[in-house]
Amino acid sequence: QLVEAGGGLVQPGGSLRLSCAASGFTFSNYEMNWVRQAPGKGLEWVSYISSSGSMIYYEDSVKGRFTISRDNAKNSLYLQMNSLRAEDTAVYYCAREYCANGVCYSDFWGQGTLVTVSS
Amino acid sequence: EIVLTQSPATLSLSPGERATLSCRASQSVGTHLAWYQQKPGQALRLLIYAASNRATGIPARFSGSGSGTDFTLTISSLEPEDFAVYYCQQRSNWPPLLTFGGGTKVEIK
Repeated sequence: QLVEAGGGLVQPGGSLRLSCAASGFTFSNYEMNWVRQAPGKGLEWVSYISSSGSMIYYEDSVKGRFTISRDNAKNSLYLQMNSLRAEDTAVYYCAREYCANGVCYSDFWGQGTLVTVSS
Repeated sequence: EIVLTQSPATLSLSPGERATLSCRASQSVGTHLAWYQQKPGQALRLLIYAASNRATGIPARFSGSGSGTDFTLTISSLEPEDFAVYYCQQRSNWPPLLTFGGGTKVEIK
């Protein structure tokens, strides 16, 4: 199970920290992603972190503002979001990446947490 | 950057009918393509991975095909619970960036 938390209403320029609690599997074995969906829109990848946390990537529009991290001892994934903009308003999902035989896909998703950036 | 284009944007069908959804990649992705189902208020559900492999627990009425740049998700006979939005997705080899198609909404006619 993946359960996101930490969403809410924040003013432009503000910060939020999202968390994703994992259970039912060995969290430390899996790469993870954050994916977002603006209201009425499609899915947009936000950030990736390797299973150990040593490799991290971001979508261009969030580079320098968002920070992904994980605590494998706590089975948790995080997304620190700073300098938030109206266009960051979205439901944020965490997703587990399953890789086998050179093929990777997001096999398990949380239900999402809504972030609203508005004054 | 690979762009995935899904068509049609909306598919209006009746229960029992066959649904054919398309996903076209701007360049070859081999068979590195997945399909997901999204229903309001629910977590996304993986349907198909590696273009044609059904995920665990996915009914046989769902099938995927294609390789390179053209992919298809087929629902052989629509059940009431299949009316939803469907997304295709690919992951680049390195860096491991995810790209999604714009989605196809399958609605009840």
